[in-house]
Amino acid sequence: QLQLQESGPRLVKPSETLSLTCSVSGASISSSRFYWGWIRQSPGKGLEWIGSIYYSGITYYKPSLKSRVTISVDTSNNQFSLNLYSVTAADTAVYYCARAVPHNDGIGHYPDSWAQGTLVTVSS
Amino acid sequence: EIQMTQSPSSLSASEGDRITITCRASQTIYNYLNWFQQKPGKAPKLLISHATSLQRGVPARFSGSGSGTEFTLTISTLQPEDFATYYCVQSYSTPLYTFGQGTKLEIK
Repeated sequence: QLQLQESGPRLVKPSETLSLTCSVSGASISSSRFYWGWIRQSPGKGLEWIGSIYYSGITYYKPSLKSRVTISVDTSNNQFSLNLYSVTAADTAVYYCARAVPHNDGIGHYPDSWAQGTLVTVSS
Repeated sequence: EIQMTQSPSSLSASEGDRITITCRASQTIYNYLNWFQQKPGKAPKLLISHATSLQRGVPARFSGSGSGTEFTLTISTLQPEDFATYYCVQSYSTPLYTFGQGTKLEIK
């Protein structure tokens, strides 16, 4: 059974870097079938897909965040990570990691499984 | 970026009611539309993929319909455990996705 678990600091100072890691069990992050992604949900707001990564390291980022985001994959530890640079209070949110699986028609992927989520607060 | 407009933003209903939530896309997304249920403090749970495909283990009282730009999620007979927030998410622009604003389903 797939399990995803985020880890990382829950409090980050403004202008610093938010770093989270998602540990995956029950599936291989090296599988060519899946994409892996990060999502966030700001207090009282909706869900925002931050970016996705393939096992090969190919990344896709939400355009409005692209200049401040890096997502990387560590196949040896079955993990992937998020770095969000130069954070402000607006980056305070619950951060989720998730998996995307292939559509039945073989074209593209859709998100199917999520981690529990972790609240990261940006504050001095 | 494809915009997803979900309505209503909140809904009060009673156990046993039939409810429908609508999601509209800013352009055609064919059938690349998925529905999630989220309960407080829990991970979102996938209910329906490809607009109509019920996920394994999801009760048959949940159903999805639509294609193109307009989609609906219907719960035929509300059960106490169904009171939650529901989100649509388009997967046409894979592997970047956009969500509806959510519908909070509350007990009347």
